[in-house]
This record gives sequence, structure tokens and C-alpha cells, in this order.
Amino acid sequence: GNSVTQMEGPVTLSEEAFLTINCTYTATGYPSLFWYVQYPGEGLQLLLKATKADDKGSNKGFEATYRKETTSFHLEKGSVQVSDSAVYFCALEGSNYKLTFGKGTLLTVNP
Amino acid sequence: GAGVSQSPSNKVTEKGKDVELRCDPISGHTALYWYRQSLGQGLEFLIYFQGNSAPDKSGLPSDRFSAERTGGSVSTLTIQRTQQEDSAVYLCASSYRTGANSPLHFGNGTRLTVT
Repeated sequence: GNSVTQMEGPVTLSEEAFLTINCTYTATGYPSLFWYVQYPGEGLQLLLKATKADDKGSNKGFEATYRKETTSFHLEKGSVQVSDSAVYFCALEGSNYKLTFGKGTLLTVNP
Repeated sequence: GAGVSQSPSNKVTEKGKDVELRCDPISGHTALYWYRQSLGQGLEFLIYFQGNSAPDKSGLPSDRFSAERTGGSVSTLTIQRTQQEDSAVYLCASSYRTGANSPLHFGNGTRLTVT
């Protein structure tokens, strides 16, 4: 079956540091890939997505590139802010339209 | 407009009791999902409804769990004879249609505690 493995946290960074959260997947066919974010006290929301190999999703300064050869979709941001503190979930959507999520990575950014 | 609404936001119940969790999706959304979020376990898929098709129940952990969606809108997740391991946050999500171009909109969840 489909599965997502993402870097376990927690991750603690200082403001303006570079962020990478690793995500790899196992899936049959050609899944779509997503990063969802859960800010404190809020529901999950879509951060970015990529639907085919070599696509780059981007939003709010975050980027992730769909790498089929390494089955990866790592999340990056060049300069994090305190407001980026949240839990980040990598997810894939298979041919059956179910989203399979990773376990989530808690990011804390200190001023 | 209104987002996905879930009720109650918190539920404490005694082991062995039945509970019902409600989800009001965004109007017009044909796809509805239930997930369970446990500490350190990520989001676990439970069940998926799409339009009038038979639901995908492949994620329900036992026959104590069931869900229905009435009139293609409101959904109820029922857990019978609750156990302590059922304690988790139950999340509902809806989307306009299936597929990557129609992202899921999540509710804030129902936190279930079984004592």
C-alpha cells in the first residue's frame, strides 16, 4: 500500500534559518504529493502541492519538488519566521483519491 | 464562507459507551473524509464518501466504527462500545470533487477522550 515517511521532529530553529523537512513516499502509479500545515489551534490546511514528476510546489516562501527518481518531496524554506511554527504533514494522493499522511513534524521557530 | 464544521469539539466518555461525532462539510462539496489523529501516529484514514457512490470503509479499525452521510451532506461517525485506544482527535475534511486540483478542507476536529 501507499505510505509516507517524513522526518520526525521536533525541529527547533532560530528566525531566518534555513529549513528542510524530509519526506519520502512509497506508492503505486503516479501519486500527487502535498504538504499540509497545522498552525496552533487551527485545522489542517494545504500549504503546497505537486501533481507530477519534477513539478515544484510553492507557497508562502516554502517550496517542494516532486522527485520521482528518489521518491521524495522535501519541504524547504530559505528563511523561517516565528509565524512558521506549526506541524507540517507530507501526504500523497493515490489513484483511489485517498490522502495518506506522514506522522507530522513539529517546527518551532525562536526569535 | 463557512468552513467544515465538526461537533462536539470535545467529548469525554466512559469506556463502553457509544459516541456520535458530527461533520458538516462545506456546501457543494461532494467528497467527505474522516481521519483520526493520534499523538505520534499522524493522520489515519478512516472512511471516504464521494457523491452517491458506496463509501470506502477500508480504514475503519474495527466493526465498532461506522459512518453515514445523509443526503450527500452531513456525516456522522459512530463509535460503539468505546475503548481507551479510541481516544484521539477525529478530523473531517471535504472537497469539491476528488483529485489533486480540489484540496481537502479540514474541520478543527473532535477531541475524544475515553476514560
